Amino acid sequence: GAVVSQHPSWVICKSGTSVKIECRSLDFQATTMFWYRQFPKQSLMLMATSNEGSKATYEQGVEKDKFLINHASLTLSTLTVTSAHPEDSSFYICSARLAGGPKPGEQYFGPGTRLTVT
Amino acid sequence: RKEVEQDPGPFNVPEGATVAFNCTYSNSASQSFFWYRQDCRKEPKLLMSVYSSGNEDGRFTAQLNRASQYISLLIRDSKLSDSATYLCVAYPGGSTLGRLYFGRGTQLTVWP
Repeated sequence: GAVVSQHPSWVICKSGTSVKIECRSLDFQATTMFWYRQFPKQSLMLMATSNEGSKATYEQGVEKDKFLINHASLTLSTLTVTSAHPEDSSFYICSARLAGGPKPGEQYFGPGTRLTVT
Repeated sequence: RKEVEQDPGPFNVPEGATVAFNCTYSNSASQSFFWYRQDCRKEPKLLMSVYSSGNEDGRFTAQLNRASQYISLLIRDSKLSDSATYLCVAYPGGSTLGRLYFGRGTQLTVWP
């Protein structure tokens, strides 16, 4: 149980275009999902916390107008990178928190999306 | 000061060795802790959860020292497949909206 999927697993796009990444909890309901970014040889950096039915909470330094997050249902959150530039190339990973789960803090990670902007 | 700090390594050990990683956290109210392993270009995968003083699972033992605010991970009888980056994670709970705080990771290479 507790499987999280992401789509696409990798994407190459041209500078200036927008890319949408989907994160789904397949067998559980996730009231909260998290979006991370990871650059090579660095740790995960939290970008934003996404709560179902409400606006996302962005970390300091993350542009909310550039990284649009929508959490329309208990099993789906999307991250749209708008007007992507080469510096946005990174590994984007989502995670989902099991609502009311017995293990405080436990999150389940999606397989990640590798974005390359040319 | 960062929420979670860990030695980035790298640790290079032979097969069969015992290796220990240490991690410190700054928020004394943190509720629970996790060790994740991350392989190159993959997502983190949960290795162990620590809610009380420690946890043991086969060759892996995690220990928590709340007084000193550190968590350790011990790997016994290292295998080649243990080569990965190990992430120390703290969960403060409370008003932090469920977010986790990650260390930068400790890289382990096990050689034959």
